[in-house]
Amino acid sequence: GAGVSQSPRYKVAKRGQDVALRCDPISGHVSLFWYQQALGQGPEFLTYFQNEAQLDKSGLPSDRFFAERPEGSVSTLKIQRTQQEDSAVYLCASSTTGFSGYTFGSGTRLTVV
Amino acid sequence: TQLLEQSPQFLSIQEGENLTVYCNSSSVFSSLQWYRQEPGEGPVLLVTVVTGGEVKKLKRLTFQFGDARKDSSLHITAAQPGDTGLYLCAGHGSSNTGKLIFGQGTTLQVKP
Repeated sequence: GAGVSQSPRYKVAKRGQDVALRCDPISGHVSLFWYQQALGQGPEFLTYFQNEAQLDKSGLPSDRFFAERPEGSVSTLKIQRTQQEDSAVYLCASSTTGFSGYTFGSGTRLTVV
Repeated sequence: TQLLEQSPQFLSIQEGENLTVYCNSSSVFSSLQWYRQEPGEGPVLLVTVVTGGEVKKLKRLTFQFGDARKDSSLHITAAQPGDTGLYLCAGHGSSNTGKLIFGQGTTLQVKP
C-alpha cells in the first residue's frame, strides 16, 4: 500500500485480556519499528525488526509484550494479560533502511479498563 | 543514556506571531529529525539535519543543527492555525539499529 497501515485503530480491553495489534508496513521496507506513545508525549521505542529478524527488543516493558514479523512484512505486537498502565497509542513505523526517515502509521489507541 | 529535552512543552500563540522550539541534549547525535504530529495520526517527518551548523528551510519553517551536533531548533515565522500540532525532535541512538530517540514534544496551538 501507499502508507503504513495499522489495525485496529481503537481497542478497548478488559484488564487481564490478551490483545494483538497489526502493522502492514510499506511494501519493500526492510526496517520496522514499534513505539508506545502516552498522550502529549514523545514516542518511546519498543522493538525493531530488520526483515524477519528482531534485532532489538530492549524497549519492551515486560515479558507480557511480544512482537513478531515472521515473513518480513506484516508485524504483530501482542500484549498478554493487559494492565491499565498498558493504555497508550501504539505506533508502527517502517523505513527503507534503519537510518532513513520513518513513515509512521496512524497508530492503535489501546484502552485497558 | 541519550536523552533529548524539548522546550517549551506547550506554546499557545496568535496567528502571525513567530516562535522557536528548542531540542537539547548532552550527547552528540549523528543526525536529528523533526516530526509534526496531528491528533489521531502518526508523526510526519519534516526534515533531517546531518551536518553541524546546518540550516534548512521548509517554507516558513527554519531548522538549525548546532555546531556540536548536540542541539537543534525549529523556528516558525508568521505562524498559522494550520501549524497547530505536536512537534517532535528525534535522534538516532548509539546502537546501530536505526532506533530513534524522541524528545517529549512541544504542543503548539496557533489561534486565529
